[in-house]
Amino acid sequence: EDKVVQSPLSLVVHEGDTVTLNCSYEVTNFRSLLWYKQEKKAPTFLFMLTSSGIEKKSGRLSSILDKKELFSILNITATQTGDSAVYLCAVPWGDDKIIFGKGTRLHILP
Amino acid sequence: NAGVMQNPRHLVRRRGQEARLRCSPMKGHSHVYWYRQLPEEGLKFMVYLQKENIIDESGMPKERFSAEFPKEGPSILRIQQVVRGDSAAYFCASSPVEIQGQQYFGPGTRLTVT
Repeated sequence: EDKVVQSPLSLVVHEGDTVTLNCSYEVTNFRSLLWYKQEKKAPTFLFMLTSSGIEKKSGRLSSILDKKELFSILNITATQTGDSAVYLCAVPWGDDKIIFGKGTRLHILP
Repeated sequence: NAGVMQNPRHLVRRRGQEARLRCSPMKGHSHVYWYRQLPEEGLKFMVYLQKENIIDESGMPKERFSAEFPKEGPSILRIQQVVRGDSAAYFCASSPVEIQGQQYFGPGTRLTVT
């Protein structure tokens, strides 16, 4: 069965810490992996990863994909309270679906 | 360019009533996806539509749920005879091309069944 598994499910750190969120997947005909940030509203797109070993960066966020080991990580450095959110990992599946993980709930303490 | 719009943002229904959720995709987008997010769970795919066509409804419950995307007007997710278990956030997303393209999500409709 195709699936996307995220860990940890929740994480509490202090402002300024660095966090690493994990996403492993088992999806046939893998093509890409997506990361989203979800606050009290709709998910917003962060990254799309298609190639192994190529890091994508956006400010303090970065992400990398390992297609051999079937996982991706999302790093956030120098965390801020505004980073508190649920981070979703998702993998397009088939021609028309996306499989989402359950998300990692990140809480940043001031 | 307005983003994906959903309304209402909050909807309260009593058990047995009908719920209608609307989604207007981004301008120029012809693909609409509906997702349901239950408390403490991830987003689950429900249905994928193009104008006047249901392409994939494999994630839709077999009964009481239906979706449409008419030639004119928004996409509608309809839930008949709602039950407490239908309480969830329902998100709509749209994309201009196939799913590998970035999907743009609406703000969601939070349905509460009392």
